Amino acid sequence: KAGVTQTPRYLIKTRGQQVTLSCSPISGHRSVSWYQQTPGQGLQFLFEYFSETQRNKGNFPGRFSGRQFSNSRSEMNVSTLELGDSALYLCASSVTGGARADTQYFGPGTRLTVL
Amino acid sequence: DAKTTQPTSMDCAEGRAANLPCNHSTISGNEYVYWYRQIHSQGPQYIIHGLKNNETNEMASLIITEDRKSSTLILPHATLRDTAVYYCIVRVGADRGSTLGRLYFGRGTQLTVWP
Repeated sequence: KAGVTQTPRYLIKTRGQQVTLSCSPISGHRSVSWYQQTPGQGLQFLFEYFSETQRNKGNFPGRFSGRQFSNSRSEMNVSTLELGDSALYLCASSVTGGARADTQYFGPGTRLTVL
Repeated sequence: DAKTTQPTSMDCAEGRAANLPCNHSTISGNEYVYWYRQIHSQGPQYIIHGLKNNETNEMASLIITEDRKSSTLILPHATLRDTAVYYCIVRVGADRGSTLGRLYFGRGTQLTVWP
């Protein structure tokens, strides 16, 4: 079974631009979560989607948004990019996301650099 | 939410067992302990999880103390490829409402396996 895929793998943008990242979950998984990883803050939760609905959100500004499609694929968007948005953005999928023992599997990440 | 405490770094000789400790003294009775690892700039890789009993899979063993306040991840025969940051996570589940699906990553333990 194919793992979680994320595109693109690397991205360079300039301040003020916007960016869209894509995540395809493992087949059969309906929950997708997004995380941001920076050297200073470590891994931080952004949001989670299940059945096209956002059901959990981390402490990030409204410039960070996401959505999920009927095939469970998800996108996240960052508008008005700032230098501090440079990070590794990780997507994780799980079957339902809610159960305590529902394991999340991570993709390879998208490395975003904001200049 | 339960928090975890891990040593910042550890090292281990190749071929020897690596024992990574984790304290989670505030864990609730129905919360699972998860372990992930992250090799530099890659997505976190799921290793193992458990609730009360010791668990073993092809990658590692997980030993959870009887009071569930701490656990140890054991890599029985460490190799150079096991060099990574290891994260111990207490998984808050569906019955905790708004934290549904979220993983809280600390700083983890940097394990270095030397030849």
